Amino acid sequence: GDSVTQMEGPVTLSEEAFLTINCTYTATGYPSLFWYVQYPGEGLQLLLKATKADDKGSNKGFEATYRKETTSFHLEKGSVQVSDSAVYFCALSGGNDMRFGAGTRLTVKP
Amino acid sequence: DTAVSQTPKYLVTQMGNDKSIKCEQNLGHDTMYWYKQDSKKFLKIMFSYNNKELIINETVPNRFSPKSPDKAHLNLHINSLELGDSAVYFCASSLRQGYSGNTIYFGEGSWLTVV
Repeated sequence: GDSVTQMEGPVTLSEEAFLTINCTYTATGYPSLFWYVQYPGEGLQLLLKATKADDKGSNKGFEATYRKETTSFHLEKGSVQVSDSAVYFCALSGGNDMRFGAGTRLTVKP
Repeated sequence: DTAVSQTPKYLVTQMGNDKSIKCEQNLGHDTMYWYKQDSKKFLKIMFSYNNKELIINETVPNRFSPKSPDKAHLNLHINSLELGDSAVYFCASSLRQGYSGNTIYFGEGSWLTVV
């Protein structure tokens, strides 16, 4: 079945460092890909998404490009802030439900 | 305005009890979900309803029974609670089934602790 694999954390960075969180997927058909963020004590919020190959999703300085050839959707940010500390989830949807990766905890230190 | 709201936010109860979590969405969506998040943050879908009709029922013990009185509400009832049921339960909704680009909107979660 469809599945998502993302890099294990935790990831600890200093403020203004470059962030990459890797995500690869396995799917039949043409899924859409998502990144969600979960701040402590809260639900998941959509960060960005891409619905077809070569699309780039972006929001709040985060970016991810839907790469069909490498079945990847890596999350990047050029300069992280302390406020970016959260758990990040890569997800895939084929239309009927959404499957999530295991989550990557990011801690950004001042 | 809260888009997906669920109550209670925190619930501590004893083994063997029966409890319910209520969920409502005011987004006009057709599809609603229940997800379970374990202590390692792993998210797993439990149920999905589309216009009050059960669409997805993953391998969930039949002690868990969802009920959708209308498409804006999806409640979760749990019988004979066990220690392993301790988790965060998220209600969510999306516009409709069948389109992969639909964003899923999550509630803030219900923290269930079984003692």
